[in-house]
Amino acid sequence: ETGVTQSPTHLIKTRGQQVTLRCSSQSGHNTVSWYQQALGQGPQFIFQYYREEENGRGNFPPRFSGLQFPNYSSELNVNALELDDSALYLCASSPRRAGETQYFGPGTRLLVL
Amino acid sequence: DQQVKQNSPSLSVQEGRISILNCDYTNSMFDYFLWYKKYPAEGPTFLISISSIKDKNEDGRFTVFLNKSAKHLSLHIVPSQPGDSAVYFCAANAGGTSYGKLTFGQGTILTVHP
Repeated sequence: ETGVTQSPTHLIKTRGQQVTLRCSSQSGHNTVSWYQQALGQGPQFIFQYYREEENGRGNFPPRFSGLQFPNYSSELNVNALELDDSALYLCASSPRRAGETQYFGPGTRLLVL
Repeated sequence: DQQVKQNSPSLSVQEGRISILNCDYTNSMFDYFLWYKKYPAEGPTFLISISSIKDKNEDGRFTVFLNKSAKHLSLHIVPSQPGDSAVYFCAANAGGTSYGKLTFGQGTILTVHP
């Protein structure tokens, strides 16, 4: 069974640029959630995708957007990058059943200069 | 508005002793709680969970206790091992339409000394 994978592992961008992060969900999981973890904080929910549609969103501006593909993999896009977007971006997958646990990938470390 | 709080930023324990990590929450809609462990440069690893219909769940050295009236949960690790040294996060989920949207605490750094 393949776990959650993310790419790239690290990324450096400059303010104002755009970035795309990628996630492959664990086998058998059809739901993908994205989280942002700033230094010294717990992960914060960005949004979730289920069957290729956004299924809830946290307190993040519209320049954070996403996609889910038929194979359940997902992308997180961030436009007009700001310095505060520097963080670890985590993807988690889960089967869409009540009480199921989310399993996290290793994350993508984004640095905005 | 921090709905899940881990008030102890760090905890230091001797190998073989018990580690107790605490977590408080404010949202009474939370009905599923999880503990994750995180090593540097890795994603959070699931440890143990508990549904609000239970007050205790055990898995090997890890036990989670839930006190709904106090809106408090704790993770007990017995016996603690040096390999348990990591950041521990508690997380909560409200179920229903918010399924899968975990709310995390700030984390507690556990250090287990040999």
